[in-house]
Amino acid sequence: DAGVIQSPRHEVTEMGQEVTLRCKPISGHDYLFWYRQTMMRGLELLIYFNNNVPIDDSGMPEDRFSAKMPNASFSTLKIQPSEPRDSAVYFCASSPGGYYQETQYFGPGTRLLVL
Amino acid sequence: EDKVVQSPLSLVVHEGDTVTLNCSYEVTNFRSLLWYKQEKKAPTFLFMLTSSGIEKKSGRLSSILDKKELFSILNITATQTGDSAVYLCAVPNFGNEKLTFGTGTRLTIIP
Repeated sequence: DAGVIQSPRHEVTEMGQEVTLRCKPISGHDYLFWYRQTMMRGLELLIYFNNNVPIDDSGMPEDRFSAKMPNASFSTLKIQPSEPRDSAVYFCASSPGGYYQETQYFGPGTRLLVL
Repeated sequence: EDKVVQSPLSLVVHEGDTVTLNCSYEVTNFRSLLWYKQEKKAPTFLFMLTSSGIEKKSGRLSSILDKKELFSILNITATQTGDSAVYLCAVPNFGNEKLTFGTGTRLTIIP
């Protein structure tokens, strides 16, 4: 299995622009998570899905952030409009159901820089 | 609110030394504790612990859980420069699949 796939790996954009991050979870995993990591705040969970349905979006910082999961193999995290304080590494992770449902497998991350 | 505290925040040792990393937690309805290693990129899964006193081992890394005292340790013996990373501890929240992560221990191995 290729693991969790994220694109792009790096994104540099100007303030006010729309940013779309993409994720393909591991096939067969029922849960998908979006995280943001910064030096100041560490790893923060933004939102997670179970079977394509958003379960908890309480970590989404504000209305500028939105996430979708139209099918079991694809999810997007969108920031519109982007701001410099959104600069961070954004990770997508997926986990299987059952006993190992808590074991999350992370993608390589998207390093976002908003100028 | 669930809480995970790791110590030390950073650690610098020489190659060949043995290190012990600590993770204490306060959670409602404990289910498990997970250890991750994060080098320059994404966290990679190391161990999941559910039972007290049972050591999980993978090569030079081992971990054990104490559910009475609410902590876990991660041991690395005969450290190598490739062990340099941030080690993260996490616990799942009660009633959902969210993980609460500690701030991590940054381990640096000097050749």
